[in-house]
Formats: sequence, C-alpha cells, structure tokens
Amino acid sequence: DGGITQSPKYLFRKEGQNVTLSCEQNLNHDAMYWYRQDPGQGLRLIYYSQIVNDFQKGDIAEGYSVSREKKESFPLTVTSAQKNPTAFYLCASSHGTGNGYTFGSGTRLTVV
Amino acid sequence: KQEVTQIPAALSVPEGENLVLNCSFTDSAIYNLQWFRQDPGKGLTSLLLIQSSQREQTSGRLNASLDKSSGRSTLYIAASQPGDSATYLCAVRPTTTDSWGKLQFGAGTQVVVTP
Repeated sequence: DGGITQSPKYLFRKEGQNVTLSCEQNLNHDAMYWYRQDPGQGLRLIYYSQIVNDFQKGDIAEGYSVSREKKESFPLTVTSAQKNPTAFYLCASSHGTGNGYTFGSGTRLTVV
Repeated sequence: KQEVTQIPAALSVPEGENLVLNCSFTDSAIYNLQWFRQDPGKGLTSLLLIQSSQREQTSGRLNASLDKSSGRSTLYIAASQPGDSATYLCAVRPTTTDSWGKLQFGAGTQVVVTP
C-alpha cells in the first residue's frame, strides 16, 4: 500500500545533540512537508519541498534543517540551535494543487 | 493572512446523535479544503477533500459542505459512534503564490462520543 513512513516513532535527544527524523513516501508525490504540533497551538509548517534538490523555509524553520536528495525522502534534522524541540513532528506529501495531503504517523521527540 | 477557526473547540455527545463541526476561513482564495481526523498520539487521517468549485462531498456517514463565498465548511457525522471520538481538523490550501504549500489548519474540535 502507498503511504508515508516516519521513523522512529519515539526519539529522545540530549541537550546539545542533533537528531534526524526520517520521512519516506512511495506515493510518487512531488511535494513534501514537515509540520510541528504542540498542544494548544495546532500545526505549524517547518520546511517544505516542491521538487528534488529544492526546499523552502516555513513559518518556524529556525533550529531545523532538511535535505531533498531523492523524491521519496525528506529527512528533518533538529539541531542543537532549536531551544524547545520537544513536540510531535508530522511529515506530509502532496501532488499537484488539486489533490489533498497525506500524512505520516508522526515522531514524538523528547529532550532528556 | 489566511486564518482558520474551528468551533466548538470540544464537543461531547451521546452515541447515536449527529455531529456538526464547523470551520471558517477568512480568505476565499483557496484550491480546496480538507477534513482530517487525529487520534491521540497518531498522525492525521484524511476524511474528505472538497475542491473550491464543489459544494459538498460525502463518504459513508460523513458529509462535508463548502460555502467559499462566506468562508465556511461544515462536517456532518451521522449516527455517531464511540469510535468517532477523536480530534477533527480542517485545513485550507491557499492559492496565493506566497502561500504555496502552506496548508492552513484550524486548531481542531475534540469530539467525545459516550456510549
């Protein structure tokens, strides 16, 4: 079945560490997105990519980095510069402007 | 800037009652509107997608309407069941160039259906 796979499901980060969240899709979608979800704040866009080797900052890109070397993959790195990284991270993809978004099952990141 | 509002923030109904969830948006320049369901600790599951040219979409017990001119969408869930308990989110896809890809979400309506 086609879909989006996010891994790991749970991730723990020590202070000062960089961590990378994986997002893979087999839907042949051109565009991919990363959202952050915090209680009471809804979903906020971190980064998005319309095509391979291109990506744009969203509303809260500071402290995060991404790459898009393959159409299927859009990993997100949470750097030590992100001061409050504890949140639920969601990856999504879409194809064309008339189609909806498909979301992955999310990664919960906790700072320990 | 597009703003999406969902009312009510929380809703509790007895099993069998119909659910009515509201979503309003401030800018009618949208490609489409999408309703999602989110269970605790899980990702978003797409329920219905309504194109800007459409008035409604139906899937089983779910029906969503769209009135683009007034900036409103309503999700109806008929004969609610305890399994319908979840948070329901609406999101609009703007057409403006500087908002490309920036799906705008409401804060959600948390629904509890009691047996």
